[in-house]
Amino acid sequence: ILNVEQSPQSLHVQEGDSTNFTCSFPSSNFYALHWYRWETAKSPEALFVMTLNGDEKKKGRISATLNTKEGYSYLYIKGSQPEDSATYLCALRDAGNKLTFGGGTRVLVKP
Amino acid sequence: ETGVTQSPTHLIKTRGQQVTLRCSSQSGHNTVSWYQQALGQGPQFIFQYYREEENGRGNFPPRFSGLQFPNYSSELNVNALELDDSALYLCASSLSFQTMNTEAFFGQGTRLTVV
Repeated sequence: ILNVEQSPQSLHVQEGDSTNFTCSFPSSNFYALHWYRWETAKSPEALFVMTLNGDEKKKGRISATLNTKEGYSYLYIKGSQPEDSATYLCALRDAGNKLTFGGGTRVLVKP
Repeated sequence: ETGVTQSPTHLIKTRGQQVTLRCSSQSGHNTVSWYQQALGQGPQFIFQYYREEENGRGNFPPRFSGLQFPNYSSELNVNALELDDSALYLCASSLSFQTMNTEAFFGQGTRLTVV
């Protein structure tokens, strides 16, 4: 059974500031780690799929790292903008293609 | 837009009733998964269908059942609704058993309220 924890549950960020938050997991027995961005009333948007220890991905001002040995992934937002306000979900994918989600980190960027 | 559509967007049912939720997968995807998101939690895996057969199930009772059709669209059926079934139900489509970078694309969800 995969267990995924995300912290913090929520955070407020001033516009222009950078921030990061964590997805942690006790077991490395998974095929991939997924990050999703989920705005209210929309569908979760795929950000990154990470598969290797030391993997790093970047999309604009958002980037992510994966450390399977230590059991965590970080998501970074550089120069936060109001449109970055969303819930960020982390999920582990197992061999059966099933996703096990964390509880999410809710980010609110204040102008 | 992900190309995954769900219907209805929201509905209200009475305890004990039955409900059917629908999902049209993204073109070319042969796998559909259903997730339940209760308030304040992350989505929980219900089950997955691959080429019209159930292919994995989470910790949900048998009154949660599903179907996948030849065009890979899917239904989630819930019988004998309980108050705790009130949640957002998400559908995700993907190409199964492909590369490690396989991505799942989600619909907007159906908000079910049981009263």
